Amino acid sequence: GAGVSQTPSNKVTEKGKYVELRCDPISGHTALYWYRQSLGQGPEFLIYFQGTGAADDSGLPNDRFFAVRPEGSVSTLKIQRTERGDSAVYLCASSLQQGGYEQYFGPGTRLTVT
Amino acid sequence: SQQGEEDPQALSIQEGENATMNCSYKTSINNLQWYRQNSGRGLVHLILIRSNEREKHSGRLRVTLDTSKKSSSLLITASRAADTASYFCATVNAGKSTFGDGTTLTVKP
Repeated sequence: GAGVSQTPSNKVTEKGKYVELRCDPISGHTALYWYRQSLGQGPEFLIYFQGTGAADDSGLPNDRFFAVRPEGSVSTLKIQRTERGDSAVYLCASSLQQGGYEQYFGPGTRLTVT
Repeated sequence: SQQGEEDPQALSIQEGENATMNCSYKTSINNLQWYRQNSGRGLVHLILIRSNEREKHSGRLRVTLDTSKKSSSLLITASRAADTASYFCATVNAGKSTFGDGTTLTVKP
């Protein structure tokens, strides 16, 4: 079956602009996770959803970052007033449920803020 | 800082040798997972070990967990050039996963 997909695969934007990153999880997976990864580092947790609700958003760096999952499937990560420090690969993962289940990762969106 | 810390940061071995990577963490966990990431690619789940388990095997992979020492190890036996990748441990607590910065493994043919 289809894996986790993320669009766009690459996004270049100017400092101060607004961006949206999309994640399509595996069908039937109720848990969805967002991470960002900088070169040479491991994924940094941002937020995870169980169904439609954000179960833990403690990793969002500040209020410029927001994520939604209105119907419990597709999720969008929104970044306002982008800064150069936001440049990273944004990874999405889904799992059957939260916690004790393996996560399936998408290929990521490489965000570059110029 | 990341919860999981992998050791060593980089490891280079010859094909056929075994590779051992370690992960230490600080707080309590529900489970611990190991992932592989090839350069420029997404993460691939390798193995999950629950907090009440001590050892798990999957093919050439062996994972141990010592909750008293808050540490885990990943052993890859009979390594192949295709095992060249970065390996990450992720601790899971209350649904939240925290990754270390990984071990970069190079297997020379």
